[in-house]
Amino acid sequence: SQQGEEDPQALSIQEGENATMNCSYKTSINNLQWYRQNSGRGLVHLILIRSNEREKHSGRLRVTLDTSKKSSSLLITASRAADTASYFCARGAQKLVFGQGTRLTINP
Amino acid sequence: ETGVTQSPTHLIKTRGQQVTLRCSSQSGHNTVSWYQQALGQGPQFIFQYYREEENGRGNFPPRFSGLQFPNYSSELNVNALELDDSALYLCASSLERGGYKETQYFGPGTRLLVL
Repeated sequence: SQQGEEDPQALSIQEGENATMNCSYKTSINNLQWYRQNSGRGLVHLILIRSNEREKHSGRLRVTLDTSKKSSSLLITASRAADTASYFCARGAQKLVFGQGTRLTINP
Repeated sequence: ETGVTQSPTHLIKTRGQQVTLRCSSQSGHNTVSWYQQALGQGPQFIFQYYREEENGRGNFPPRFSGLQFPNYSSELNVNALELDDSALYLCASSLERGGYKETQYFGPGTRLLVL
């Protein structure tokens, strides 16, 4: 079973808009990671946020973490067609536990 | 590109057969993890190898087995294939040092179809 839940399951927006995806989890964490997957291929690591961090930026990506609510969000600003992919949050160190992912579609 | 490679890219097998999937780690990495991803789902952890020893296992039956070689490359073997084994199999490599496990970098996966 998967212990992370992404919300929404699918998101479709226009190019240039911002996309926000949320992740909730049930147990305490040391860190949380976000990955992107294009067309059912390998996962690309986007960003890792540690439990003592509240916000982290990487280019057009912004990740927030609220450990009191056991939730994280990934914001992609000024979206591009190339951002079309599935996005997963994952917790754990040795064994990554993934949610079901958010399928993001950017419409030109 | 992560430097993690997997072979083959696609594979078709029939029920009851055995399959071996291969993974070559990113240079300098000493840990390999395997994940199974069914269609429309997130990846699920199968097991991890560190310095040629199994170092953690998910909820998968013993017919899923693996090996890690001295060069840190790895194999995943699945015996007595079942239809539900159809999935994308992902390999991820990482570096563990001093007990600290760094980020896992994934290969492109092997898509297995069991008929």
